[in-house]
Amino acid sequence: AQKVTQAQTEISVVEKEDVTLDCVYETRDTTYYLFWYKQPPSGELVFLIRRNSFDEQNEISGRYSWNFQKSTSSFNFTITASQVVDSAVYFCALSSYRGAQKLVFGQGTRLTINP
Amino acid sequence: ETGVTQTPRHLVMGMTNKKSLKCEQHLGHNAMYWYKQSAKKPLELMFVYSLEERVENNSVPSRFSPECPNSSHLFLHLHTLQPEDSALYLCASSQRGRQGSGQQYFGPGTRLTVT
Repeated sequence: AQKVTQAQTEISVVEKEDVTLDCVYETRDTTYYLFWYKQPPSGELVFLIRRNSFDEQNEISGRYSWNFQKSTSSFNFTITASQVVDSAVYFCALSSYRGAQKLVFGQGTRLTINP
Repeated sequence: ETGVTQTPRHLVMGMTNKKSLKCEQHLGHNAMYWYKQSAKKPLELMFVYSLEERVENNSVPSRFSPECPNSSHLFLHLHTLQPEDSALYLCASSQRGRQGSGQQYFGPGTRLTVT
């Protein structure tokens, strides 16, 4: 069975601080996808990144960066120089490479950036 | 981004009512999904339709009845719901198969309250 764990339920930091959101996953698949989504108060899930299991290269996109470590089954997300607009609930998710490709989500981390 | 739209955005219904949620995707995808997001549980997959055929029914009670008349439209018919069915219902679409990326695009959701 697949499982995603986001141990941090809520995080609160002051603007401009760096913050890392943790994600640990379990799967028996040898190939799979990992995702991060952002859910602002409006409710819509906004796609941030997709990572293939066979590509362990870390990625940086502006203030966002992702650290994928297959050895520890982790896919952590770091926001550098956080801003108030980053406040949202962030979800890590896992899907199979084949088949229905259904997403299995973690519980989500509520991130609050205070001015 | 209006790739996936959902109507209505908010719905209040009594336990004896019958209502339907509508989802439409404008992305040319071949798979559509219904998810439920309630306060006490992580995002849960309910149904998956691929090429208009239901390929996944995640042990959802029969009071929820999905319908996929074509690849662009997905409905969720509701009848005799319970108060615990109050939640945010999210629709998503993706392109499955070799040309697919595994990425799902989400609509804004329907906030359902059952009284």
